[in-house]
Amino acid sequence: AQSVTQLGSHVSVSEGALVLLRCNYSSSVPPYLFWYVQYPNQGLQLLLKYTSAATLVKGINGFEAEFKKSETSFHLTKPSAHMSDAAEYFCAVSLTGNQFYFGTGTSLTVIP
Amino acid sequence: DTAVSQTPKYLVTQMGNDKSIKCEQNLGHDTMYWYKQDSKKFLKIMFSYNNKELIINETVPNRFSPKSPDKAHLNLHINSLELGDSAVYFCASSQGEHLSYNEQFFGPGTRLTVL
Repeated sequence: AQSVTQLGSHVSVSEGALVLLRCNYSSSVPPYLFWYVQYPNQGLQLLLKYTSAATLVKGINGFEAEFKKSETSFHLTKPSAHMSDAAEYFCAVSLTGNQFYFGTGTSLTVIP
Repeated sequence: DTAVSQTPKYLVTQMGNDKSIKCEQNLGHDTMYWYKQDSKKFLKIMFSYNNKELIINETVPNRFSPKSPDKAHLNLHINSLELGDSAVYFCASSQGEHLSYNEQFFGPGTRLTVL
């Protein structure tokens, strides 16, 4: 069973437009949730994480994500896209028993 | 200073060969990992070591063997390479005992191509 699902493998937005990348998880216990970004030919870098504190989490580069238990979602948003935001974005979930899963990734294209 | 480094960055080899990828972290972390990223960008954890002890060993062929000479190093040795082993391999590290909520720091990746 897939523990984390990212809807949309490719998302395109215009520069200055809202960025919304979707992530849903499945877990019977409160999970830890992460968003990582991968720029071309680089390793992954943490954007933000949810660890059962505030449900609205602010990350680097103006990104934020909201944990919604009722919707089992952890969508990533940014009010205004910048060209430098073009990258691959991965949602990840950490469950008990050393279980850790990445989503399949969403490639973000920013159109000038 | 590079936090997590991997060598080599690119590795091209023939089927059947044995090769190693090295990883070093200078962050003082307790736990290190190996991930495989396939051509569709799917990332899967392969191994996790905490203080030189194997914690996670996902279902990977026995041809893959991690070796941790000390807390700062986790090398990946692959025997009898196959075409399907072609991928980008990422090393990562984190503080603490296991994955949980700890941020992982990733190396730049090693692109392995098996011909």
